[in-house]
Amino acid sequence: GESVGLHLPTLSVQEGDNSIINCAYSNSASDYFIWYKQESGKGPQFIIDIRSNMDKRQGQRVTVLLNKTVKHLSLQIAATQPGDSAVYFCAEWGPDYKLSFGAGTTVTVRA
Amino acid sequence: DTGVSQNPRHKITKRGQNVTFRCDPISEHNRLYWYRQTLGQGPEFLTYFQNEAQLEKSRLLSDRFSAERPKGSFSTLEIQRTEQGDSAMYLCASGGTGRFHGYTFGSGTRLTVV
Repeated sequence: GESVGLHLPTLSVQEGDNSIINCAYSNSASDYFIWYKQESGKGPQFIIDIRSNMDKRQGQRVTVLLNKTVKHLSLQIAATQPGDSAVYFCAEWGPDYKLSFGAGTTVTVRA
Repeated sequence: DTGVSQNPRHKITKRGQNVTFRCDPISEHNRLYWYRQTLGQGPEFLTYFQNEAQLEKSRLLSDRFSAERPKGSFSTLEIQRTEQGDSAMYLCASGGTGRFHGYTFGSGTRLTVV
């Protein structure tokens, strides 16, 4: 079946460095994607979204890149901070107003 | 409005017992979703409502699961005859009719079946 997934389950990054989290999707009809951050004991929290008519979108310290040719998404976090330690999910928005999530990447920030 | 509220936050129950969870969405949101999340996995869709109408149910939602949203406001998710495999985080989310920002999640109810 078609699904959204992430390349690596874990990522360890030095505080102050940039982080890159990757996600591959298989449904070529997907036209809207969202990155969520989930901290321990909390629900997923919206970070940034991107529509399929865009290649890049920037927020505060975060950038999402979309490569429709290879069906790949990435989330870049600039100057990673300890508060960025969490699980990050990409989610695909279907035509029926339903989000499908990948398995997630756990980011650990080293001091 | 402080967001999506879920109660209880934690529930420990014995196998075979029934449990019920409650979700209070953001008041102006007409769509309400239930997801289940097991350790190390992303949330999996269970069901969703538009106002009081239940529009879709996942095949994950066995006959032991039932969800209601009687007045188009809060929702309940009941699991009958709980099994150890039901142990998970149950997440509720709400959203408007537009796609912007997807939807807002609550903090979830952690169910442990012993």
